[in-house]
This record gives sequence, C-alpha cells and structure tokens, in this order.
Amino acid sequence: GAVVSQHPSRVICKSGTSVKIECRSLDFQATTMFWYRQFPKQSLMLMATSNEGSKATYEQGVEKDKFLINHASLTLSTLTVTSAHPEDSSFYICSARGTRARAASYEQYFGPGTRLTVT
Amino acid sequence: EDKVVQSPLSLVVHEGDTVTLNCSYEVTNFRSLLWYKQEKKAPTFLFMLTSSGIEKKSGRLSSILDKKELFSILNITATQTGDSAIYLCAVPSQGGSEKLVFGKGTKLTVNP
Repeated sequence: GAVVSQHPSRVICKSGTSVKIECRSLDFQATTMFWYRQFPKQSLMLMATSNEGSKATYEQGVEKDKFLINHASLTLSTLTVTSAHPEDSSFYICSARGTRARAASYEQYFGPGTRLTVT
Repeated sequence: EDKVVQSPLSLVVHEGDTVTLNCSYEVTNFRSLLWYKQEKKAPTFLFMLTSSGIEKKSGRLSSILDKKELFSILNITATQTGDSAIYLCAVPSQGGSEKLVFGKGTKLTVNP
C-alpha cells in the first residue's frame, strides 16, 4: 500500500514552454502533497506544500507564478512549470501524506520523480 | 531554523563491512525522525523514530534515536552492493504543514 505515481518520468521541453507534472496517490487519500526539487548531488529542497481544495504554500524563494500547483482531488496534485528555462532543469519529486487512518502522521510516500530537461 | 546535519557526506566500503551513518538535528518541538534510502529515483521510507533508546530493525538495517543528544544513527551490517545509495535523514518541521526538513544525505558506495 501507499503507492505514489508521477507522470511523466522524464520530459524534455524547449525554453519558454510550459510543462505539467502529475502526482497521484494510487491506493490512499492524500490530504497533503509536497513538491520537491533536487539538483545533482544535492538534497531534496521543498518547493511547496499542497492541501486538497486550498491554495499551495510556497517556500521562500519559490515563485508561485512560475510553479503552479493544483491539488484538485485527494489523489491528484499537479505542478506546472511555466515558461521553463534551462535553469529549471532538475529532478522534481512529489510526496504524499495520507490521512491519519492510513499512514503514520509524519510518514511521506514519495513518487518516483520526474526528470525535467529544458533545452 | 530547523536543521538536519548528516555525516559523513560520502562513504566507500567493501561488501561485508558494517557502516554507521550519523544524523544530528535541531528542531523546535521534536516529534519524529525519519530515514530514507534514495537510489536512482525518489526516496523510499526506511524508519520512523520517535522514542529514545528503542532500536528499530529491518533485516541488516537498524536505527536508534537519542533525544537527549539530538542525534540518530543508521547501521547497516554485512553490506551488499545493493546497499549503495544516498541515505537521507529528515525531521518534520514546526508548523501545521508537517513538512520535512532533509539533511544533505550520506552517499554510500559498497564495492564488491
């Protein structure tokens, strides 16, 4: 149980275009989803916290107009990188935290990640 | 500001060796500490520790927490090449979002 999927796993796009990444909890309801970015040889950096039905909370330094997050249902959150630039190339990972009945309070289940390359 | 520091940052061993990975933390209102293993993709959950002195064990991996000294260790005995990965330590940060603060990780390489 507690499986999280991401789509696509890998995407290459041209500078200036937008890319949407989906994060789905497959067998549990995710009240909260988190979006991380990871640059090579660095740790996970939290970008934003997304709660179903409400606006995402962005970390300091993350542009909310550039990284649009939508958490429309208890099983799906999307991250859209708008007007992508080469410096946005990174590994984007989502995680989901379930309701207390299904998962330990602070346990997060990670998706497999999406490798974004902007040319 | 909540902080997690892991050491060493990198470790190279031979198969069969035993390794100890360290994680120290500073957090307001400590609730738990989590260990993850990250191979080529996203992290996979290993352990969640909430109480001092109680060892959690899963096969050759074990972990223990010391809330007085604010650290945790992750032990791997009889290492195998498949243990090669980045091991991440994290603590939930203060506030209602329960977001995780990660350390930089320890990159473990197990050579045959």
